[in-house]
Amino acid sequence: DAKTTQPPSMDCAEGRAANLPCNHSTISGNEYVYWYRQIHSQGPQYIIHGLKNNETNEMASLIITEDRKSSTLILPHATLRDTAVYYCIVRAKGEYNFNKFYFGSGTKLNVKP
Amino acid sequence: DVKVTQSSRYLVKRTGEKVFLECVQDMDHENMFWYRQDPGLGLRLIYFSYDVKMKEKGDIPEGYSVSREKKERFSLILESASTNQTSMYLCASTGRNTIYFGEGSWLTVV
Repeated sequence: DAKTTQPPSMDCAEGRAANLPCNHSTISGNEYVYWYRQIHSQGPQYIIHGLKNNETNEMASLIITEDRKSSTLILPHATLRDTAVYYCIVRAKGEYNFNKFYFGSGTKLNVKP
Repeated sequence: DVKVTQSSRYLVKRTGEKVFLECVQDMDHENMFWYRQDPGLGLRLIYFSYDVKMKEKGDIPEGYSVSREKKERFSLILESASTNQTSMYLCASTGRNTIYFGEGSWLTVV
């Protein structure tokens, strides 16, 4: 599995953009970058994924560098309910590749009033 | 929206009891999974299933069994619960090239 590196924690003011970085320097050409988050006591929630182009959905934007060695998840207007642990995972496309799906330590995002 | 529903959020069981954890997904996904999540150990795969009546062992199947009689339902069974099975259990299914998780079931074995 390609390894990812994330800062252990970040703070963000409510209403401001939260930018969560992830390094994945050993990513291979067929691997996607996935982002999940886990709010305390709940199951992980899918946020977004991408291959090389930037992606946006109703929850967040994903910016992937041109060399694909790093990416940034952007929550455009963070709210207190966005306080969670955010996980960056790289995974080859294909549903059978989820039989081994490992979360690292992630980034604990603290959104403050 | 994809929905993976776990029947019980919080359970307390006694050592030696048989425990059933039920999971249902509503998106006609073929692949379903059971994980447990423990502090410092991350997600660990217990069993998964590619189709009805098919099952494959994951990384930590000992002490567990599963049942997939219908496509939408995947059950995890603890034949004789032990205290080291106290954990949060997560069911998941895959579709559209990603994996979707349920809300989790917190099991305490006393």
